[in-house]
Amino acid sequence: SQTIHQWPATLVQPVGSPLSLECTVEGTSNPNLYWYRQAAGRGLQLLFYSVGIGQISSEVPQNLSASRPQDRQFILSSKKLLLSDSGFYLCAWSLLEGSFYGYTFGSGTRLTVV
Amino acid sequence: QKEVEQNSGPLSVPEGAIASLNCTYSDRVSQSFFWYRQYSGKSPELIMSIYSNGDKEDGRFTAQLNKASQYVSLLIRDSQPSDSATYLCAVSGYALNFGKGTSLLVTP
Repeated sequence: SQTIHQWPATLVQPVGSPLSLECTVEGTSNPNLYWYRQAAGRGLQLLFYSVGIGQISSEVPQNLSASRPQDRQFILSSKKLLLSDSGFYLCAWSLLEGSFYGYTFGSGTRLTVV
Repeated sequence: QKEVEQNSGPLSVPEGAIASLNCTYSDRVSQSFFWYRQYSGKSPELIMSIYSNGDKEDGRFTAQLNKASQYVSLLIRDSQPSDSATYLCAVSGYALNFGKGTSLLVTP
């Protein structure tokens, strides 16, 4: 069966520091991968999605970036964190392109920028 | 911007009652619709999907879809305290669009 892993679970980082969050999927090949952010009082916001290695689509212009160095690995990064980057970051995967069958989420990373 | 609207709640129901959660969406071409349950501090978990007009039942959960009215609902029968969570409505587009969720509290 397929599983999705995210780490770390929680992170407290100072303003201006770098960020690297990692997500991996096991038990499938060529998954579609997504990064969402859930800020307090707001819904789930799609940040990036990827349909293959090196293929990244950005939904929200900001100081975050994403990379997919391997088929089942998706990384969210920032060079300098802002206070507004605080939130619950969720990685998700789906087998088919698009959203027809829904997504499965990882356990999430709660990021607090101080 | 494709919108998915939900009443934020909290919706409070007594144990054993039926909880009714509602969602409206703006994109008429959406083809698939989902309900996710999110416990506090946890990630969303898919509990129901529905693709055609009408009702779909799975255990105590029933999803209802009316594409003409652009309306999706989730009924939870025999509500239990363990059902207390935030319920997210999601609608397909090129990616899933989520509502902000409805908080449900089931009181013993």
